[in-house]
Amino acid sequence: QQPVQSPQAVILREGEDAVINCSSSKALYSVHWYRQKHGEAPVFLMILLKGGEQKGHEKISASFNEKKQQSSLYLTASQLSYSGTYFCGTERGNNRKLIWGLGTSLAVNP
Amino acid sequence: GAGVSQSPRYKVAKRGQDVALRCDPISGHVSLFWYQQALGQGPEFLTYFQNEAQLDKSGLPSDRFFAERPEGSVSTLKIQRTQQEDSAVYLCASSAQGVRADTQYFGPGTRLTVL
Repeated sequence: QQPVQSPQAVILREGEDAVINCSSSKALYSVHWYRQKHGEAPVFLMILLKGGEQKGHEKISASFNEKKQQSSLYLTASQLSYSGTYFCGTERGNNRKLIWGLGTSLAVNP
Repeated sequence: GAGVSQSPRYKVAKRGQDVALRCDPISGHVSLFWYQQALGQGPEFLTYFQNEAQLDKSGLPSDRFFAERPEGSVSTLKIQRTQQEDSAVYLCASSAQGVRADTQYFGPGTRLTVL
C-alpha cells in the first residue's frame, strides 16, 4: 500500500534538473508532495488531484498519470535551497489519511 | 498563531514511563493529524481528528497510544508505558477544512527518545 519513490537519492549541480517519481498500486484520489530538511518539519509543495487539478508552489511543477497511478515532481534549474528529502503522500478516496513513501534525498551542490 | 507548534521539542523518557505530547494547530483549522516518523523513514499515519471527533485511529500501534482533542483545538498524544521502539519523531499537522486533498501544515515535531 505504501507508494514507491524513485530514485532513492539524487546529487545535482546547481542549475541542473531532476525528476522524482511516486507510484502506487492502488487507485488514488490525490498525491501530496513535501520537502523536509534535516530536523525540520515537512514543507508543503504541491497537491495533484484525480481529474487534473493542481494546487501548490509556483516554481515547482508536477504531473499525475491516473492510468498508471504515478506522480512525477519536476525540479528545474535547481538551487542550493532545493536540497532535502522529498516525500510523496498518497490519499485514497475512502479516507483522508496520507500514506507516505520512503523519500528521495536530493543534494544540490555549487 | 503563525503555524503549528508542538511541545516539548525533545523528550527523553525511561522505559515504562508515560509521556504526553502537545500540538497547537493553526487557529481555526478543523482537521488535525498525528504521524510517527522513524529515523530515515517517511511519516506514518497514527490518527486524525475533525474538530473534537477522532475519525480514524487505525494507525495507532497499540493500546498504549491514546490521542485526544477535547475542545477541537489543542491535541495531546499520550503514550503509556513507553518502550524503546516508541523512539521516533512525532509530527502533528493541521488542515483548514475537513475535506479530501486539503493542504496539511506540519509542526516541527517532538523527538522522543526512550532509554
